[in-house]
Amino acid sequence: TQLLEQSPQFLSIQEGENLTVYCNSSSVFSSLQWYRQEPGEGPVLLVTVVTGGEVKKLKRLTFQFGDARKDSSLHITAAQPGDTGLYLCAGGSSNTGKLIFGQGTTLQVKP
Amino acid sequence: SAVISQKPSRDICQRGTSLTIQCQVDSQVTMMFWYRQQPGQSLTLIATANQGSEATYESGFVIDKFPISRPNLTFSTLTVSNMSPEDSSIYLCSVPDRTGLQETQYFGPGTRLLVL
Repeated sequence: TQLLEQSPQFLSIQEGENLTVYCNSSSVFSSLQWYRQEPGEGPVLLVTVVTGGEVKKLKRLTFQFGDARKDSSLHITAAQPGDTGLYLCAGGSSNTGKLIFGQGTTLQVKP
Repeated sequence: SAVISQKPSRDICQRGTSLTIQCQVDSQVTMMFWYRQQPGQSLTLIATANQGSEATYESGFVIDKFPISRPNLTFSTLTVSNMSPEDSSIYLCSVPDRTGLQETQYFGPGTRLLVL
């Protein structure tokens, strides 16, 4: 059974601080997705990474896929209150099209 | 990306009753997925709904409890049957990316269900 361990589960920081969220697995994934979910809404796709060692940047967000495609990280620079939400990583299988989700990280950025 | 709508957006139901959730997509897709998100939790896949065939259920989910219909390539329904308070969750449908990786999925806004 494929599992994705996401950490930390909760993070409360001040505006302007940096943070990193980690997703780790013993399994290899064909891709890794990061989503952000706000209360009352469905998850919104932030990025998909597919190549081992790949780094993608989305404004203040930096996503990295591990060389072995078993882990990923999300780094936010100078967090803002608008970054508050639930961040979810999900490992994908090209064979089945299915996603395995991590437990999620609830981020609160205080002004 | 795809535009996905769900109905109802939320509901409060009595135990023992059933609720059917609708998912509508603005384009034709082969696969649609149904997820459950329990309060404060992450997403768990319930089943994959393919048009023209029976839905494929994940371990721990059965057709009698969560019957699924997929009458065409843009629509699906999930029924939560004989509900109990433990079924209180957000139910989400998703579809794969049509132009990129099939394992990249786009989600509907969710249906928030409270069972009393």
